Amino acid sequence: QKEVEQDPGPLSVPEGAIVSLNCTYSNSAFQYFMWYRQYSRKGPELLMYTYSSGNKEDGRFTAQVDKSSKYISLFIRDSQPSDSATYLCAMSARVNQFYFGTGTSLTVIP
Amino acid sequence: NAGVMQNPRHLVRRRGQEARLRCSPMKGHSHVYWYRQLPEEGLKFMVYLQKENIIDESGMPKERFSAEFPKEGPSILRIQQVVRGDSAAYFCASSPRSHREGQPQHFGDGTRLSIL
Repeated sequence: QKEVEQDPGPLSVPEGAIVSLNCTYSNSAFQYFMWYRQYSRKGPELLMYTYSSGNKEDGRFTAQVDKSSKYISLFIRDSQPSDSATYLCAMSARVNQFYFGTGTSLTVIP
Repeated sequence: NAGVMQNPRHLVRRRGQEARLRCSPMKGHSHVYWYRQLPEEGLKFMVYLQKENIIDESGMPKERFSAEFPKEGPSILRIQQVVRGDSAAYFCASSPRSHREGQPQHFGDGTRLSIL
């Protein structure tokens, strides 16, 4: 079983839709959770960084962590064509290794 | 540009040659991480370094791969006697302090290595 599972998609939504991206994990020691956005031929760009359970909001982006279910989510409100990218979840325990999901490809159609 | 800088962006090597990938961390960052990304796969951790020290190389193949982060200059990921299976995108990330203190990593745009 992989440490982190992420549906690769692809996911296609109309402009303005609410997007929900999810990851599940198996290691209960994970307590740092991140979401990255990666455009084609570019490096991952940090979007959200959360510690332990709960919600965090930043503009149109909301990250949720449910440690009891080992499930994290990223919500994108009022999605824009510029949000079209691959979204990677990542997580870590109190060590220096990050575990990444395989990424979900998102296309927002104008 | 104060971001993580990687060069070259693209590198082509023939089987058996050596590949050297360079990474300059963000200003003020003293922790460097190298990852490999293959199509349809996630980022895989390779090695974590601080200045002049390898902290964790548990993700790095035991043979042909080495990494360094000297006191002066960029971090180098070196692959000797490359094989076709080494073809991938290699990403470097940096952070200002250890992740133990809750510091996320910031990535460069990667080096795409192609082996002929």
